[in-house]
Amino acid sequence: AQKITQTQPGMFVQEKEAVTLDCTYDTSDPSYGLFWYKQPSSGEMIFLIYQGSYDQQNATEGRYSLNFQKARKSANLVISASQLGDSAMYFCAMNPHRGSTLGRLYFGRGTQLTVWP
Amino acid sequence: SQTIHQWPATLVQPVGSPLSLECTVEGTSNPNLYWYRQAAGRGLQLLFYSVGIGQISSEVPQNLSASRPQDRQFILSSKKLLLSDSGFYLCAWTHAGLAGYNNEQFFGPGTRLTVL
Repeated sequence: AQKITQTQPGMFVQEKEAVTLDCTYDTSDPSYGLFWYKQPSSGEMIFLIYQGSYDQQNATEGRYSLNFQKARKSANLVISASQLGDSAMYFCAMNPHRGSTLGRLYFGRGTQLTVWP
Repeated sequence: SQTIHQWPATLVQPVGSPLSLECTVEGTSNPNLYWYRQAAGRGLQLLFYSVGIGQISSEVPQNLSASRPQDRQFILSSKKLLLSDSGFYLCAWTHAGLAGYNNEQFFGPGTRLTVL
């Protein structure tokens, strides 16, 4: 069974500092995709970044980067230069069937990030 | 461009009443469609998914059901709501077929359901 673990229920970071949100996963599928989503208080789910299991380089999208350590089965999200607007719930998710017709995602329980001035 | 709509945005229903939540997608064809539920302070739980018209797969046993009467329409229903059905319901879609390296799911704005 696929499983996503986010061990940090809450994180605090000062504005302009970097923060790392942890995510570990468990799958026996050799092909999979890893995602991070942001959910502000409004409830919408905003896609941030994607990492494929066979990608050689860590994914980056602006201030977001994914620290992918395949042997450890971890996919931590790094947010650089935090902004007040980054305060939100962050979810790590996995698609264990990349390339299939299913596309379903398994989500972790989330980390509530608070950025303070 | 593709857009996904959900309605209603909020709903307050008494226990035992019926439910119908609607999701529609524009700007794409033959998407995979998903219904998720998020309890307060929790992650997302996949309820149903559909890879085509009339094709529904259920992830968890419950008193909810789903239907896909049209290619880009996905409906979540219940004949009798329970208190435990309260939550935030999100509809999502993704490209069907071999989607390549980025099978990102696109989410709708969600429906907040409160069962009293």
